[in-house]
Amino acid sequence: NAGVMQNPRHLVRRRGQEARLRCSPMKGHSHVYWYRQLPEEGLKFMVYLQKENIIDESGMPKERFSAEFPKEGPSILRIQQVVRGDSAAYFCASSPIGVGEQYFGPGTRLTVT
Amino acid sequence: QQQVKQSPQSLIVQKGGISIINCAYENTAFDYFPWYQQFPGKGPALLIAIRPDVSEKKEGRFTISFNKSAKQFSLHIMDSQPGDSATYFCAASESGGSEKLVFGKGTKLTVNP
Repeated sequence: NAGVMQNPRHLVRRRGQEARLRCSPMKGHSHVYWYRQLPEEGLKFMVYLQKENIIDESGMPKERFSAEFPKEGPSILRIQQVVRGDSAAYFCASSPIGVGEQYFGPGTRLTVT
Repeated sequence: QQQVKQSPQSLIVQKGGISIINCAYENTAFDYFPWYQQFPGKGPALLIAIRPDVSEKKEGRFTISFNKSAKQFSLHIMDSQPGDSATYFCAASESGGSEKLVFGKGTKLTVNP
């Protein structure tokens, strides 16, 4: 059973460009969470999605950031007009029923130059 | 406001020793407390988790101790090995909501051979 998959693993963007991060949950999991990790920091919750629904986006910056989890295909975290402060590791986690255990992917390390 | 406080920030232990990492939380509605292990460049891996209905849970060399009245929980690693050298994160979540995890800032554990 494949784990949570994220791609790309590394992404370099210039200031002002768009970044698209993809996450495929574990098979059978329909709940996806996105977290951001700054250097030497813990993980911070961004958004929680189920198929075609955003359940909780309380941790998402109000501007430039959006997320989706379509009926078919991976969940996408989109960052428009990236700035240097967006440089971080972005992790996706999935859960089978949205209760308890969350399993993390390997992350996407975004560098904004 | 940091809802989960983790200590120490770093810990050095000799091979065979006991590693102890502590966490304290503020939100009494938290009812799920996992620990994650993260190696450099990797995603967090779920290690062990506990719910408030028990005071202790053991899996192999890893034990969680939970003190509901003090709002504290800790991870004990018995017979620590160099391969346990990693960053450990405690977390907490509240059922009935989005189940988002609130993380501590992490403890970097080094086990010397």
